[in-house]
Amino acid sequence: EAQVTQNPRYLITVTGKKLTVTCSQNMNHEYMSWYRQDPGLGLRQIYYSMNVEVTDKGDVPEGYKVSRKEKRNFPLILESPSPNQTSLYFCASSFIQYDSPLHFGNGTRLTVT
Amino acid sequence: AQSVAQPEDQVNVAEGNPLTVKCTYSVSGNPYLFWYVQYPNRGLQFLLKYITGDNLVKGSYGFEAEFNKSQTSFHLKKPSALVSDSALYFCAVRDWGKNDMRFGAGTRLTVKP
Repeated sequence: EAQVTQNPRYLITVTGKKLTVTCSQNMNHEYMSWYRQDPGLGLRQIYYSMNVEVTDKGDVPEGYKVSRKEKRNFPLILESPSPNQTSLYFCASSFIQYDSPLHFGNGTRLTVT
Repeated sequence: AQSVAQPEDQVNVAEGNPLTVKCTYSVSGNPYLFWYVQYPNRGLQFLLKYITGDNLVKGSYGFEAEFNKSQTSFHLKKPSALVSDSALYFCAVRDWGKNDMRFGAGTRLTVKP
């Protein structure tokens, strides 16, 4: 089954404790992206990647890191999480063409205390 | 930069009545427009897209959307709403030549029996 898999689904952590949210897709998509969803703000892009070893900042990259060492994986790293990073995070992927719709994972709800 | 506006936070309709969820966009070039739906505890699912051609596009679950270039709008419609259509709906746009997809803030559709 074609899918984008994110782990974990729920994560509660404390300020400053490094964490990684994993994302993997099995559709051979070139493009992958991370979004955060906050009430009233819709989805805001954190980082995206056009292909292996190619990443770029989205609208809200501060406090996040990403890497794209393999085509299928695009982990999101929070080196020192803070409470304002409490949010619902989505990984998405698509083919590189502009008309290709995004496929989303089921989300990771992160709480930073 | 491209942007999307969904002017209504909430839309309420009775089952069997037609529904419209509004979206307006701003791009510098030709728009690639998308609608996504989000059910509780799930990621976004692609509904339909407009790339070029007919202004009325049909998508999944009986939804359709009307592209209006002069009004820069891409409203989502369905002739007869179902209770199961209740969900959060997002409009999104890609500008030609730019790979990032911008999302609106979302509209919560509630269909009452």
